[in-house]
Amino acid sequence: AQSVTQLGSHVSVSEGALVLLRCNYSSSVPPYLFWYVQYPNQGLQLLLKYTTGATLVKGINGFEAEFKKSETSFHLTKPSAHMSDAAEYFCAVSVPNSGGYQKVTFGIGTKLQVIP
Amino acid sequence: DAGVIQSPRHEVTEMGQEVTLRCKPISGHDYLFWYRQTMMRGLELLIYFNNNVPIDDSGMPEDRFSAKMPNASFSTLKIQPSEPRDSAVYFCASSFQPRDTQYFGPGTRLTVL
Repeated sequence: AQSVTQLGSHVSVSEGALVLLRCNYSSSVPPYLFWYVQYPNQGLQLLLKYTTGATLVKGINGFEAEFKKSETSFHLTKPSAHMSDAAEYFCAVSVPNSGGYQKVTFGIGTKLQVIP
Repeated sequence: DAGVIQSPRHEVTEMGQEVTLRCKPISGHDYLFWYRQTMMRGLELLIYFNNNVPIDDSGMPEDRFSAKMPNASFSTLKIQPSEPRDSAVYFCASSFQPRDTQYFGPGTRLTVL
């Protein structure tokens, strides 16, 4: 079975500083990997996703993530934090299950605080 | 497209009452997902449908929970009887393909007193 681990339920950064949100996954087959963002009182929105091909994936709002198979990681980064980046971020993994269908598992989420 | 539509946005009910949450997926999306979000357990997948057929309901917590999808544009999640521990935000999401991006609705915040 697959799993997702997000290190750090709360992360604080200063405005203009690097944002690094960590995600590690476990899967016995090649996974699809996603980062979603949730703003207060809203549903989740896709930031970026990795399916196949290029391991460095660029998403919206200046975020990017790199798939590292050897480290089973898919960390999310942004060079310079903006106040509007304050939100909760979820890493997710999608793999086929035994019945041939897909199973999506979300991480516990990381709340990002941006300090002015 | 209006996106995934959920109703009601907020529901306050008393323990023992029946609660019905509603969802309209994005037109053309063949997959529909129901999630529950709490502070303690995060985002949990309850059940998902493919072409109106339930595929995986292993996340449904107990028999008090049931979900239906009578047609491609409507799904319900019912809790009967409701309990205070069911208080959470319930999200509906839909996607075109199973491994594709999921589009989430705004959620229904359920409070059971």
